[in-house]
Amino acid sequence: GENVEQHPSTLSVQEGDSAVIKCTYSDSASNYFPWYKQELGKGPQLIIDIRSNVGEKKDQRIAVTLNKTAKHFSLHITETQPEDSAVYFCAAPGGTYKYIFGTGTRLKVLA
Amino acid sequence: KAGVTQTPRYLIKTRGQQVTLSCSPISGHRSVSWYQQTPGQGLQFLFEYFSETQRNKGNFPGRFSGRQFSNSRSEMNVSTLELGDSALYLCASSSGGGRGTEAFFGQGTRLTVV
Repeated sequence: GENVEQHPSTLSVQEGDSAVIKCTYSDSASNYFPWYKQELGKGPQLIIDIRSNVGEKKDQRIAVTLNKTAKHFSLHITETQPEDSAVYFCAAPGGTYKYIFGTGTRLKVLA
Repeated sequence: KAGVTQTPRYLIKTRGQQVTLSCSPISGHRSVSWYQQTPGQGLQFLFEYFSETQRNKGNFPGRFSGRQFSNSRSEMNVSTLELGDSALYLCASSSGGGRGTEAFFGQGTRLTVV
């Protein structure tokens, strides 16, 4: 079945620096890759996604890149701010009607 | 547009009891999925409903069940609670639920079994 691996598990960066989180997937039929941000005490929030027909997508300070050949996709956050501190999850379709999630990356932005 | 609403937000139950959690999806969305989130196992898929039909089910024991009503609201039930059922239960709403469909989560229900 589908498997999603996410690295690193924790990431600390200085405010203003960039952060990169990487995920790999196993199902070559996967065509949609969302990223979620989960703050303490809240549910995961969809922050950006990418479909398999594009290689990169940007939304202000966040971007996602996709390499279908290597089966990996990455989240890039530039000019990090304290409010970016949260747990980030990647996901990929796990067959029909469900998603498989990565194990999460706890990002700490140090002021 | 209202988001995904889950009730209650917190629950404390005793081993052996049963519990029912509720989820109201985004207006117009017909697919509701349920996930269990624990520190050790991460986000694990429970089941997905569309138009009152369960289309997919994860690897959880039969104590975990769900249903969906004609207005797309969904409930999940856990019977004979065990300590290991303590978790954050998340509901995700989407328009169709198929591959490539955006899914939006509620705030979750924090279940503690004592």
